[in-house]
Amino acid sequence: DAGITQSPRYKITETGRQVTLMCHQTWSHSYMFWYRQDLGHGLRLIYYSAAADITDKGEVPDGYVVSRSKTENFPLTLESATRSQTSVYFCASSRQGVGQETQYFGPGTRLLVL
Amino acid sequence: QKEVEQNSGPLSVPEGAIASLNCTYSDRGSQSFFWYRQYSGKSPELIMFIYSNGDKEDGRFTAQLNKASQYVSLLIRDSQPSDSATYLCAVRGGTSYGKLTFGQGTILTVHP
Repeated sequence: DAGITQSPRYKITETGRQVTLMCHQTWSHSYMFWYRQDLGHGLRLIYYSAAADITDKGEVPDGYVVSRSKTENFPLTLESATRSQTSVYFCASSRQGVGQETQYFGPGTRLLVL
Repeated sequence: QKEVEQNSGPLSVPEGAIASLNCTYSDRGSQSFFWYRQYSGKSPELIMFIYSNGDKEDGRFTAQLNKASQYVSLLIRDSQPSDSATYLCAVRGGTSYGKLTFGQGTILTVHP
């Protein structure tokens, strides 16, 4: 059982390039989330999705685009990467409903924008 | 005021001692409270969650919740060097269906 996976695990790109980070979960969880983690800021929510075709902004959505055509996949795209988007990106998923909010995290993608 | 606040530490305790980690939150309607552990270079992993006022114990870990004071804590008994990590407090707000707000985390170091 793979659980929740992210790819790539490491990525180096240049300013202005488009980058897509992939997230895949095998639990059929309703909710999926994208966070970035930076020193001094903790985990900050970028976007989340309550179900396929339902997405909403989090705390820091600018410069990012998401889609969710299938329940199991939740890709995050940086349309034109900037150095400030250098970070560690975590995808997470959870079930729906009160008492089901525990989020399970993927291994993370370490992104460096030069 | 941050929605979820934790002392960033580092908190240093000797092996075998009790480590006490604290978290306060601003949304009085918050419903669910979580403690995650994150080792350096790894992703957060759930330690435990608590929904009701009082204590909840799981092995060496005890979560304590006081909604009136908007305070949640994590006690680690018989601390081990392997407990050295960053501990993240997360809260589901009253209207934040599915979403959690995380504190910045407390770095814990357990020294032999």
